[in-house]
Amino acid sequence: DVKVTQSSRYLVKRTGEKVFLECVQDMDHENMFWYRQDPGLGLRLIYFSYDVKMKEKGDIPEGYSVSREKKERFSLILESASTNQTSMYLCASSLYPGGVNMETQYFGPGTRLLVL
Amino acid sequence: EDKVVQSPLSLVVHEGDTVTLNCSYEVTNFRSLLWYKQEKKAPTFLFMLTSSGIEKKSGRLSSILDKKELFSILNITATQTGDSAVYLCAVEGRGQNFVFGPGTRLSVLP
Repeated sequence: DVKVTQSSRYLVKRTGEKVFLECVQDMDHENMFWYRQDPGLGLRLIYFSYDVKMKEKGDIPEGYSVSREKKERFSLILESASTNQTSMYLCASSLYPGGVNMETQYFGPGTRLLVL
Repeated sequence: EDKVVQSPLSLVVHEGDTVTLNCSYEVTNFRSLLWYKQEKKAPTFLFMLTSSGIEKKSGRLSSILDKKELFSILNITATQTGDSAVYLCAVEGRGQNFVFGPGTRLSVLP
């Protein structure tokens, strides 16, 4: 049974704090993704990684960084949290290579982050 | 810029009705189109479509892709209250990047 886990379901942080969101997958997938989901905007890709120590910016990378030191773990970092980063953060993974051989992205349960 | 549009944005029906959800897209180097169902948790995968004209079915749900007209539809027949959810359409384009639409919020009333 495939599994993507995220370290926290809910987080409350203050403006300016450094925030780490952790994601772990046990499927030996090459690709991992971080999205944020906001009402009316759908899922938006922040960063993705296609291999250990490799990362690519998504559509909205500003204010975020990521770390992929091990294949199974992909961390999203907010260096200095701001209120506009209050959102639902979803991690996903998929098997490499992508395209028609990839049946799906598997999503974690999400982390709801509130920045005060 | 890559874009995915879904319509309607929200829909309210009664149990037993049939609904059709629409997804149109403009994506560079189209690879696949995916439908997800999202309830109070992360979205769950429904279908992946890569070829035009081939219908995929799963129970009361079915979906088809038209790559010429750049759209897909998701049909749900004999709707049930458990079908209430946000239905997301996502398109995979260049660099394995996914572009998601805003979703269609479906409410099925008993």
